[in-house]
Amino acid sequence: GDSVTQMEGPVTLSEEAFLTINCTYTATGYPSLFWYVQYPGEGLQLLLKATKADDKGSNKGFEATYRKETTSFHLEKGSVQVSDSAVYFCALITGANNLFFGTGTRLTVIP
Amino acid sequence: NAGVTQTPKFQVLKTGQSMTLQCAQDMNHNSMYWYRQDPGMGLRLIYYSASEGTTDKGEVPNGYNVSRLNKREFSLRLESAAPSQTSVYFCASSDFAGTEETQYFGPGTRLLVL
Repeated sequence: GDSVTQMEGPVTLSEEAFLTINCTYTATGYPSLFWYVQYPGEGLQLLLKATKADDKGSNKGFEATYRKETTSFHLEKGSVQVSDSAVYFCALITGANNLFFGTGTRLTVIP
Repeated sequence: NAGVTQTPKFQVLKTGQSMTLQCAQDMNHNSMYWYRQDPGMGLRLIYYSASEGTTDKGEVPNGYNVSRLNKREFSLRLESAAPSQTSVYFCASSDFAGTEETQYFGPGTRLLVL
């Protein structure tokens, strides 16, 4: 069945460090891929998405490229800030109402 | 726009009690969802409603019922709460049911069942 596997956390980085959070997927068909972010005490919100192979999603300095050959959608940011501390969820959708989430990766950025 | 709102924010129940979690959205979205979030398990879909008047089971529907009261509101009911239902519950809505769907989430309801 369809699923998402993302790296386990927690991840702790110093401010201005480079961030990578790995995400791989298994899906039938041609999924769209998403990264959602959950800040403390809040619901999830869309960070970025890509709807077809080789698309790059980007937002707030974060990027992820849809790699069909490696079934991956890794999240990257060149220089993290304390305000980026949150839980990040990789997700995929293959059809109507069929959104699958990874288990989430908690990121803590220290000054 | 308030987006997606949920009430209550926090609730404590005793085993066997019932309660209804309320959700409303003001974005005129057709689809609405209920998820539960448990440590190490991400979000799991409980029920969804693709349009007003329709509801369908998700991955973990046992012990829950839902009502799509109108286009704005989608409630989740626990008829007889169990400790295994201790979780954080999120409601979401979306404006397009397809592979480009973006879901918008409420702030969550934290439920503790003793």
